[in-house]
Amino acid sequence: AQSVSQHNHHVILSEAASLELGCNYSYGGTVNLFWYVQYPGQHLQLLLKYFSGDPLVKGIKGFEAEFIKSKFSFNLRKPSVQWSDTAEYFCAVNSGSYIPTFGRGTSLIVHP
Amino acid sequence: SQTIHQWPATLVQPVGSPLSLECTVEGTSNPNLYWYRQAAGRGLQLLFYSVGIGQISSEVPQNLSASRPQDRQFILSSKKLLLSDSGFYLCAWSAWTGVDVSNEQFFGPGTRLTVL
Repeated sequence: AQSVSQHNHHVILSEAASLELGCNYSYGGTVNLFWYVQYPGQHLQLLLKYFSGDPLVKGIKGFEAEFIKSKFSFNLRKPSVQWSDTAEYFCAVNSGSYIPTFGRGTSLIVHP
Repeated sequence: SQTIHQWPATLVQPVGSPLSLECTVEGTSNPNLYWYRQAAGRGLQLLFYSVGIGQISSEVPQNLSASRPQDRQFILSSKKLLLSDSGFYLCAWSAWTGVDVSNEQFFGPGTRLTVL
């Protein structure tokens, strides 16, 4: 069975700091990878996804993620965070089915 | 465009009472439908999923059940609620495209259930 690990459960940053949230998965085959974000009081929504092609994926609001197959990783990055990036971030993986596996989430707080 | 609705938004129920949470999707046909429970620090736990009317798969044994009486309607139920059923319940859908599994999920606003 596949599993997803998000190493950082709580991250606190100041505005303009750089962000990297880790995501590792355990599955040796072809995978589709997702990052979702849940802003306070809002629906969980897609931030970006990878399913093939360029392993560096760009999403909304200046976020990007890099798929490194050899490391089974799909880390999320943003060079300069804003207060409005305060949210909970979830990594998800599916491996050939329509049932993704989600990580436990990372709570990001950005201080103005 | 597609939209997903869940109701009620919040619910407070006594232990032993029945439960019915409803989810409907608009603007798409034959969606895959999902029920999740979200707990703080524990991510999203998949409870049920459905690939068609009357087709329900359960991921974990529990006090809950799900039904899909119509193509775009997904209902989460319980005959007798337990304290441990308290939580935040999310409904989601994804497009059915056969073998293509790269489609993302779209989530509803959720229902906060408190069992007292």
